[in-house]
Amino acid sequence: KAGVTQTPRYLIKTRGQQVTLSCSPISGHRSVSWYQQTPGQGLQFLFEYFSETQRNKGNFPGRFSGRQFSNSRSEMNVSTLELGDSALYLCASSLDSSGDRGVNEKLFFGSGTQLSVL
Amino acid sequence: AQSVSQHNHHVILSEAASLELGCNYSYGGTVNLFWYVQYPGQHLQLLLKYFSGDPLVKGIKGFEAEFIKSKFSFNLRKPSVQWSDTAEYFCAVNARGNNRLAFGKGNQVVVIP
Repeated sequence: KAGVTQTPRYLIKTRGQQVTLSCSPISGHRSVSWYQQTPGQGLQFLFEYFSETQRNKGNFPGRFSGRQFSNSRSEMNVSTLELGDSALYLCASSLDSSGDRGVNEKLFFGSGTQLSVL
Repeated sequence: AQSVSQHNHHVILSEAASLELGCNYSYGGTVNLFWYVQYPGQHLQLLLKYFSGDPLVKGIKGFEAEFIKSKFSFNLRKPSVQWSDTAEYFCAVNARGNNRLAFGKGNQVVVIP
């Protein structure tokens, strides 16, 4: 079974640009979450999508947005890039077959997209 | 919201030494607890998890962790480390019924052969 796939693996952008990152979850997984990993702040939760709806949101500005498609693939977008947005962006998927968050799920992480903002 | 503290960010050990990494969390409700490991150049992998039941949890590669509810702790242990245990270790917590994980800052562990 293929794991969580994130593309591209590396990205270099300049300040003010926008960027779109892609995540394909494990086949059959319905929940997709995004995390930002930096050396200073560690791993921080961005948002979670389930059945094409944002189900949970972290404390990031509105420049960070995402969406999920009917096949559970997800994209996240960062507009008006800032130097501080340089980070490893990780996607994680989970089965969540019942859609009930009371069911405790294990997250499977992708290798991430390393974004550098110059 | 939950928060997680991990101390001693950098740990250097010799092979066969014992390892213990501390993890404390703050949250008043019921939680699920996790330890993830990130080997050099690889993605985050689940080492072990605690949802309920026996507070002593055994994971892969000889790791175990003990949940002490009264201390809000979930410390990770391994009696005898190997060079291949060199990695970054993250403790994570989520509130029961919520997939949002709060991570600690991580412990960079280097095992010297």
